[in-house]
Amino acid sequence: EAGVAQSPRYKIIEKRQSVAFWCNPISGHATLYWYQQILGQGPKLLIQFQNNGVVDDSQLPKDRFSAERLKGVDSTLKIQPAKLEDSAVYLCASSLDSPASGSHEQFFGPGTRLTVL
Amino acid sequence: AQSVTQLGSHVSVSEGALVLLRCNYSSSVPPYLFWYVQYPNQGLQLLLKYTSAATLVKGINGFEAEFKKSETSFHLTKPSAHMSDAAEYFCAVSSGTYKYIFGTGTRLKVLA
Repeated sequence: EAGVAQSPRYKIIEKRQSVAFWCNPISGHATLYWYQQILGQGPKLLIQFQNNGVVDDSQLPKDRFSAERLKGVDSTLKIQPAKLEDSAVYLCASSLDSPASGSHEQFFGPGTRLTVL
Repeated sequence: AQSVTQLGSHVSVSEGALVLLRCNYSSSVPPYLFWYVQYPNQGLQLLLKYTSAATLVKGINGFEAEFKKSETSFHLTKPSAHMSDAAEYFCAVSSGTYKYIFGTGTRLKVLA
């Protein structure tokens, strides 16, 4: 079974530029998550999708971050314009999350390391 | 509200010694609890999970954790550390919304 795919793996940009990250979840997984992991900290949830609808985006800085999940499969996360404090690893995860499964297990991609100069 | 506290941001053990990584949680509903491991430049890999079945949970690579409701703890242990166990370990709590709250992580160093 293929895992969660993310691209690019690394990205370096200047502040005020824009950047986009892509995620393809495990086939059949209804729920998709984007996390921000700043160096030395645990992952922080930015946005959670259930199919193509947003479940939770309470910690997404909406003035500069946006995310979409068209057709309920892959997703993109965009930052425009980037700030120095956006330097972090951006992790995508997916989960099956049907009431019958009850597993609550999330599967993580390798992440995209963003450096903002 | 849910929260997770991991005591000790850095833990060092000798190869062959007991590994103990501490995790305490706060949850207003019966929690689901997880331990993930992260190797450098990689994503998170699930070590083990507690989902209200047995309180002693066995995971991969010889790790196990015990859910103690009275102590609101879910500490991770391994009887004998191996050099390959050096990594960062994250404890997470989840409720019925499937949302995870992660701890700040513990970096494990294994000394030869």
